[in-house]
Amino acid sequence: DIQMTQSPSSLSASVGDRVTITCRASQSISNYLNWYHQKLGKAPELLIYGASNLQSAVPSRFSGSGSGIDFTLTISSLQPEDSGIYYCQQSSTTPFAFGQGTRLEI
Amino acid sequence: QVHLQESGPGLVKPSETLSLTCSVSGGSISTYKWTWIRQSAGKGLEWIGRIFESGGTNYNPSLKSRVTMSLDTSKIEFSLNLSSVTAADTAVYYCARGHYDSRGNYYFDSWGQGALVTVSS
Repeated sequence: DIQMTQSPSSLSASVGDRVTITCRASQSISNYLNWYHQKLGKAPELLIYGASNLQSAVPSRFSGSGSGIDFTLTISSLQPEDSGIYYCQQSSTTPFAFGQGTRLEI
Repeated sequence: QVHLQESGPGLVKPSETLSLTCSVSGGSISTYKWTWIRQSAGKGLEWIGRIFESGGTNYNPSLKSRVTMSLDTSKIEFSLNLSSVTAADTAVYYCARGHYDSRGNYYFDSWGQGALVTVSS
């Protein structure tokens, strides 16, 4: 099975900051990598799919990059509503696996 | 706008079977892969499996021996049965819609609100 590892596990940043979260796969997954954002008590919501494609209605301050085993999620200018937990997820092969999450405090 | 809603008992006794249903409204059941994911404090987000419109399934090998999924296209709902539960199966269970785009990207683009299921006597 493919394992997903995110870093950092948590971070604190301020409104307007640029933030980067990384995700590493235990083997190559091409660009089959998705990012989700989960607010407290809510279901995760899709942000980025296919490593770099912005989901409809997601603000353009979110961007994704990477291929193979290393991926990044960047938030260009943090907003208060961006707090929560961010997860990466591989969709290359079943069982689909999620990273352990990155908790972002603003 | 598709809407997914989980329903089922919030408390299940050890060794019994956990049963949940996901009702789908506002969208077609065709072409999508209907998925169950759970989230526990100990294991984070865990993909349980998915069922296709044809009735075909993929299950997580770690749960495969205990999982059964079914799909009722007339009611536009799908279900999860997880047998022989233990305290380790206590989690929030989400149903989600899986979608393949034209380039083969696969992602979960709609989720239910989640259902907390506690395993306890």
